[in-house]
Amino acid sequence: EAQVTQNPRYLITVTGKKLTVTCSQNMNHEYMSWYRQDPGLGLRQIYYSMNVEVTDKGDVPEGYKVSRKEKRNFPLILESPSPNQTSLYFCASSLLEGNSPLHFGNGTRLTVT
Amino acid sequence: DAKTTQPNSMESNEEEPVHLPCNHSTISGTDYIHWYRQLPSQGPEYVIHGLTSNVNNRMASLAIAEDRKSSTLILHRATLRDAAVYYCILNNSGGSNYKLTFGKGTLLTVNP
Repeated sequence: EAQVTQNPRYLITVTGKKLTVTCSQNMNHEYMSWYRQDPGLGLRQIYYSMNVEVTDKGDVPEGYKVSRKEKRNFPLILESPSPNQTSLYFCASSLLEGNSPLHFGNGTRLTVT
Repeated sequence: DAKTTQPNSMESNEEEPVHLPCNHSTISGTDYIHWYRQLPSQGPEYVIHGLTSNVNNRMASLAIAEDRKSSTLILHRATLRDAAVYYCILNNSGGSNYKLTFGKGTLLTVNP
């Protein structure tokens, strides 16, 4: 089944403890992206990648890192999480074509205390 | 970046048609118009997309203005399961910028 898989679904952590949220897709998509969703602010893009070893900042990249060493994986890294990074995170992927739909994962709800 | 503008919320009655508008006055010639919806507690899901011509699929119809500066997602008979946030975005097939900005979308409420 074609899908985007995020792990974990829920994560509670403390300020400053490094964490990684994984994202994997099995559709051979070139494009992958991370979004965060907060009440009243909609979906905001954190980082995106158009291919292996190619990553670019989205609208809210501060405090996040990403890597794209393999085509299927696009982990989101929070080196030193802070409470303002408490949010719902979504990973998405698509072919690198304007008429290709984005496929989203089921989300990761992160709480930083 | 090309941006879209949508109403914050809309309301409809069950089994009636719903027209969800989207303005994208700075659209470029290679931008596809995509619509997604997000049901409560789920990730966004693709609904429909188009470039210049109107499009129909099993979920909805997409009407695109002749100048492409606006579009309308049409749900022909709203059901309670259509209550969701609907997002309109522009997807550039010919550019190097793939930021794919979503914005806040339109919250659709469907009354029984």
